[in-house]
Amino acid sequence: SAVISQKPSRDICQRGTSLTIQCQVDSQVTMMFWYRQQPGQSLTLIATANQGSEATYESGFVIDKFPISRPNLTFSTLTVSNMSPEDSSIYLCSVESRTGSHEQYFGPGTRLTVT
Amino acid sequence: DQQVKQNSPSLSVQEGRISILNCDYTNSMFDYFLWYKKYPAEGPTFLISISSIKDKNEDGRFTVFLNKSAKHLSLHIVPSQPGDSAVYFCAASDGGWGKLQFGAGTQVVVTP
Repeated sequence: SAVISQKPSRDICQRGTSLTIQCQVDSQVTMMFWYRQQPGQSLTLIATANQGSEATYESGFVIDKFPISRPNLTFSTLTVSNMSPEDSSIYLCSVESRTGSHEQYFGPGTRLTVT
Repeated sequence: DQQVKQNSPSLSVQEGRISILNCDYTNSMFDYFLWYKKYPAEGPTFLISISSIKDKNEDGRFTVFLNKSAKHLSLHIVPSQPGDSAVYFCAASDGGWGKLQFGAGTQVVVTP
């Protein structure tokens, strides 16, 4: 499995501001994923980030709100823009297994609170 | 539209006994199923998976059963240990890379 780190681990932000979350992997991976877990709810896929191409967003998520960068095969960022209290969630990045199965390995998450 | 459902939000079991976690799905296109465990302040950790061509997969204390006709899968943990206390998520894939759909999770508490 891959070792994945995220920064920051948590943050408290004011309404209307933006936060950029970083995800670093210890090995090169083709696909990286960003998920959101709202309080008391399940994990929801926000977007898939491939190096060298635009991220692919899931229904209900748009690039203006959640811009993603993927500058190389070990790093990605997710920005939560113009935040509102409804954006308070845990944000997680993940990578696919190198065995070619559907397994994904997750980072520790970033706990965001918007006041 | 929740396509993966875990109807039991919590489960309490005694140490040494069996824990049975259930998961139902509605999308017949799902062909791969996974279980994850999550401790507080950590990301989900992959536990065990099963392909739709199988009905059982076993790994140590963990066994996953799949009943395709009922669109139901379950995770058995035998014997349960205090370190198993965590939230368990069921997830499913329809073959599209990265498109894992997760259930709401079941909080397991293993008591001494």
